[in-house]
Amino acid sequence: NAGVMQNPRHLVRRRGQEARLRCSPMKGHSHVYWYRQLPEEGLKFMVYLQKENIIDESGMPKERFSAEFPKEGPSILRIQQVVRGDSAAYFCASSTGQLNQPQHFGDGTRLSIL
Amino acid sequence: GENVEQHPSTLSVQEGDSAVIKCTYSDSASNYFPWYKQELGKRPQLIIDIRSNVGEKKDQRIAVTLNKTAKHFSLHITETQPEDSAVYFCAATSSKLTFGKGITLSVRP
Repeated sequence: NAGVMQNPRHLVRRRGQEARLRCSPMKGHSHVYWYRQLPEEGLKFMVYLQKENIIDESGMPKERFSAEFPKEGPSILRIQQVVRGDSAAYFCASSTGQLNQPQHFGDGTRLSIL
Repeated sequence: GENVEQHPSTLSVQEGDSAVIKCTYSDSASNYFPWYKQELGKRPQLIIDIRSNVGEKKDQRIAVTLNKTAKHFSLHITETQPEDSAVYFCAATSSKLTFGKGITLSVRP
């Protein structure tokens, strides 16, 4: 009964490289959410996806960031040309998508930019 | 959009005492209010949630109350233990989940 799986747990990139973060939702969940958390801060919503569909990307920076949730495989958050300010913990959560149902979080990916 | 505020930002209590964490929200359409506990370096974990058709919910030492008129909700932890020390996030949702900034609870042994 696996929960939300994220990988890698830690990712180190140099400035200008690309970062790819993966998230597999909990079994039975078809909705995925990505959040960014800076040290000692709250969780900032980035994007909400369903299979093959972006529902809400209002929290996603307009440049360099993109997300997808293909028909097969995990959801991917992609950050192109990373900068030092992208260093953060990125959490994925999943839910059934039904109204007022809880989101369950993965262990996060800690991204460090050198 | 929704705005969720938590106060205080830090709280220290003696083991065995009660702790109360309060949150306010702005969007009267919000109808689902979960609370998450996050230990250092770990994932946020759902500890309790409440829906707008309910005023109070209890689960062992944890309870949540909701006042829709005043647009605030609170987390109550009784008989606190050192393992309750963590950051606690409240959240509210109408179209999407909006989190407060979190409160650091320290339980002194």
